[in-house]
Amino acid sequence: DIQMTQSPSSLSASVGDRVTITCRASQSISNFLNWYQQKPGKAPKLLIYAAFSLQSGVPSRFSGSGSGTDFTLTISSLQPEDCATYYCQQSYSTPPIAFGQGTRLEIK
Amino acid sequence: EVLLVESGGGLVQPGGSLRLSCAASGFTFSSYWMHWVRQAPGKGLVWVSHIKSDDSSTSYADSVQGRFTMSRDNAKNTLYLQMNSLRAEDTAVYYCARGRYCDSGSCHFDIWGQGTMVTVSS
Repeated sequence: DIQMTQSPSSLSASVGDRVTITCRASQSISNFLNWYQQKPGKAPKLLIYAAFSLQSGVPSRFSGSGSGTDFTLTISSLQPEDCATYYCQQSYSTPPIAFGQGTRLEIK
Repeated sequence: EVLLVESGGGLVQPGGSLRLSCAASGFTFSSYWMHWVRQAPGKGLVWVSHIKSDDSSTSYADSVQGRFTMSRDNAKNTLYLQMNSLRAEDTAVYYCARGRYCDSGSCHFDIWGQGTMVTVSS
């Protein structure tokens, strides 16, 4: 099974900062990598699919990049409402579909 | 409005059973693969199972294989998860989610329900 590892596990940044979260797959997954945002007590929300495609309605400050085993989610200018936990998810080799362990983002 | 609404969660004793439902509206339910994803308290997301759009095939995580059964009724736009032989480690919020492009490899979950809590405890 493919394992997904996110880093860092948590981070704190200021409003306006550029924030980067990374996700590494245990083997190549081409570009079959998706990113989700989850706020406390809420269901996850799809941000990015197929590594870099922005889901409809998601602000353009969110972007994704990478292929193979290494992927990045970038928030170009952090906003207060971006305080959340972010998860990556692979769909290259399924089942099982695997999520990363999550990255908790706090606002300073 | 595209909507998924789960129901059926609750408190159950170890070894017991529970059936979750997920009612879909606002889209052509029979055209999509559907998934269950769970989240234990304070923990991350874990994929549980999926079912193909035409109900032809299901798959399960190893942790629930043989105990959980996923099904769908495309006439009623409803998804089900029958959970048997429940264990304490099955305690979680269970989400149903719509899968896009799951038959082409680029499977992602674009619509999620609000979740239903399942607690397994004596």
